[in-house]
Amino acid sequence: GAVVSQHPSRVICKSGTSVKIECRSLDFQATTMFWYRQFPKQSLMLMATSNEGSKATYEQGVEKDKFLINHASLTLSTLTVTSAHPEDSSFYICSATLGDPKNIQYFGAGTRLSVL
Amino acid sequence: KQEVTQIPAALSVPEGENLVLNCSFTDSAIYNLQWFRQDPGKGLTSLLLIQSSQREQTSGRLNASLDKSSGRSTLYIAASQPGDSATYLCAVILFDYKLSFGAGTTVTVRA
Repeated sequence: GAVVSQHPSRVICKSGTSVKIECRSLDFQATTMFWYRQFPKQSLMLMATSNEGSKATYEQGVEKDKFLINHASLTLSTLTVTSAHPEDSSFYICSATLGDPKNIQYFGAGTRLSVL
Repeated sequence: KQEVTQIPAALSVPEGENLVLNCSFTDSAIYNLQWFRQDPGKGLTSLLLIQSSQREQTSGRLNASLDKSSGRSTLYIAASQPGDSATYLCAVILFDYKLSFGAGTTVTVRA
C-alpha cells in the first residue's frame, strides 16, 4: 500500500524558534497533501490543503503566516511552525492522496511538537 | 457545518466480547465515510472505507455499516482481542474532499 513518511516524529524546541516538519510520499506521487492538528483527546482538525506547485489553502482560523506550508514536489510537503509558542504544542499529522483529492488519504505517523 | 460525534468516548470490554462503536454525522451529503485506528502517539491506520452508495464493508473481524439517511455508521469488531485496544476514529469525506473527524472512541480490551 501507499506509504507516507513524516519526520521528525518528535521535536522539542524553545519558544520563539521555528520548526520544520516534513511529509513525504514514498512510493507514489501525491498531488494533494493535507495537514492536520490534534489536541489530546480531541479529533483531528484540518489546518490546510497543499497542492504541488501552488499556494496552500488554509482553513478558517489558521494563521498562514504562522504555519508556512510548501509543496515543492509531488513527493514532499513541509510545514514550518514559525516563532513557536507553548500553545503551538500539539500533534501534527499529514496525509497524501494519489490523483483525485477525493481518493483515499494515506496518513503519516505524526509529529509531536513540544514548545518550552 | 458537518459535525461528527462518536459515542461512547471510551469503552472497556473483556477479551472475546464483540465491540460496537457508533458514529453519527449531521449532514447526510457525504462522499464517503472512513474508519481509522490510532494507537497512542501514532498516526492513523485506515480500517474500512465505505462509499456513500454502499451499506456496509467487511474486512476480517471488522464490519462497518452506513445509513446515510439517518446520518449513522457503526463499526463492529467481532471477538475482541487485547491487540484491538486503541482509539477508533470515524471520518466523513465531504464532496470538497475534506475529512471531518469525530473525537474517537478509546477501546480497552482486557485479557
